Amino acid sequence: KAGVTQTPRYLIKTRGQQVTLSCSPISGHRSVSWYQQTPGQGLQFLFEYFSETQRNKGNFPGRFSGRQFSNSRSEMNVSTLELGDSALYLCASQDPSAAEAFFGQGTRLTVV
Amino acid sequence: LAKTTQPISMDSYEGQEVNITCSHNNIATNDYITWYQQFPSQGPRFIIQGYKTKVTNEVASLFIPADRKSSTLSLPRVSLSDTAVYYCLVPSGGYNKLIFGAGTRLAVHP
Repeated sequence: KAGVTQTPRYLIKTRGQQVTLSCSPISGHRSVSWYQQTPGQGLQFLFEYFSETQRNKGNFPGRFSGRQFSNSRSEMNVSTLELGDSALYLCASQDPSAAEAFFGQGTRLTVV
Repeated sequence: LAKTTQPISMDSYEGQEVNITCSHNNIATNDYITWYQQFPSQGPRFIIQGYKTKVTNEVASLFIPADRKSSTLSLPRVSLSDTAVYYCLVPSGGYNKLIFGAGTRLAVHP
C-alpha cells in the first residue's frame, strides 16, 4: 500500500509569509502527527490529530496550527514565518492498534 | 516522562555487530521501548519495539534486562547502508506523541 505522502517536498518562503503543508496518511490510519526537525533542536513534536480532533500538542507558538479532514488527510499551517522556522517538517501516520509510526519524506521549508 | 540517554556517536566497520545502549532509568511499568532509524533528509523508520527480555526481527535484536532501566539495540553484520542516526524512545504519556532525543549517529566504515 502507498506510504505517507507529504507535499510539497521543498518550499522557499519569505519572512512574514504563511505556508501550508499537506500530509496524506496511509490508508486506514486515522492518527496523524507532525514534527519539526532542525539541526539545533532535533526532532520535535508539533501536534497529533485523530478523527479530525487535535489530541496532543507540543510546545510551539500559536503560529503553528493544523487540521485534519474527514478522509484523515492533514494540513499544518505556519503563519508569519520567521527565519528560525526553516526546517524539515515530517508527518507520521499510525494505526492506533500498532506500535509503528510511519513517517513521510518530509517537506523542507526554507525561510529567507 | 522517561528520559533516554544514548551515546552521541559510534563507529563500526562493515560486517561487525553493533550494539547501541540506551538508558531510561525512570521508565514506567507499562512503557514499551521503541527504536527508530533515520537517514539524512528522510523521516525516521521503525526498527523494533520491546517490553522485556529479547525481541528479534529481520533487521535487529533488542535486549532488555529485568530491571528495564536500559536497553540494547543489536545490529548484526552492519553494512555501509546502516550508517544513520538511531533513536531510542519510550512513551511520552501522550497519544502517539514521540519524544526524540539526540539519537546515536552510527558511522559504518569500509
